[in-house]
Amino acid sequence: DAKTTQPPSMDCAEGRAANLPCNHSTISGNEYVYWYRQIHSQGPQYIIHGLKNNETNEMASLIITEDRKSSTLILPHATLRDTAVYYCIVSRGSSNTGKLIFGQGTTLQVKP
Amino acid sequence: GAGVSQSPSNKVTEKGKDVELRCDPISGHTALYWYRQSLGQGLEFLIYFQGNSAPDKSGLPSDRFSAERTGGSVSTLTIQRTQQEDSAVYLCASSSDPGTSQFFGPGTRLTVL
Repeated sequence: DAKTTQPPSMDCAEGRAANLPCNHSTISGNEYVYWYRQIHSQGPQYIIHGLKNNETNEMASLIITEDRKSSTLILPHATLRDTAVYYCIVSRGSSNTGKLIFGQGTTLQVKP
Repeated sequence: GAGVSQSPSNKVTEKGKDVELRCDPISGHTALYWYRQSLGQGLEFLIYFQGNSAPDKSGLPSDRFSAERTGGSVSTLTIQRTQQEDSAVYLCASSSDPGTSQFFGPGTRLTVL
């Protein structure tokens, strides 16, 4: 599975959009981009995933560049409860057991 | 419905003892994963079960670690002759199919004295 690069930390003002970048320049055609987050002392929580097209759900939006070498997770109106470590993971999904290889992630601090 | 549950939530043991950690996945989920999270290593994959297929044990750190999944549901992770470096939070996750979103349990915090 391809490796990802994320900034170690970011701040965001409450109520503003949080834009979390991820680089995955070695991604291959059958690899998906997954985002999970981990709030302190809890297990990771699935947010969203995509292959080529942009995706949106009730939690977030995922924007994937046309060349698929990078992506951005957007939390449209961040709240204090969104403070967490956000992990961007590239995986072949069902063709590779679906196991997740976690990096260090981005620690997002939402401030009042 | 109920999420993934794990027991115990905390376990303190002495070096050299064996421990068993339990995971109850979401009902109907065929894929089950074990991960661990320690301060020095972050979140790492340990083992994966899917239906009746042979498990993917590629992440197990040593032969002291083993896991089984009985009846395609409950899973037990066993660590024999525990060492201090085994201290970590052990997380279980399940999904309806491999590659779909994984739902994680709250974890078991293992402390080896």
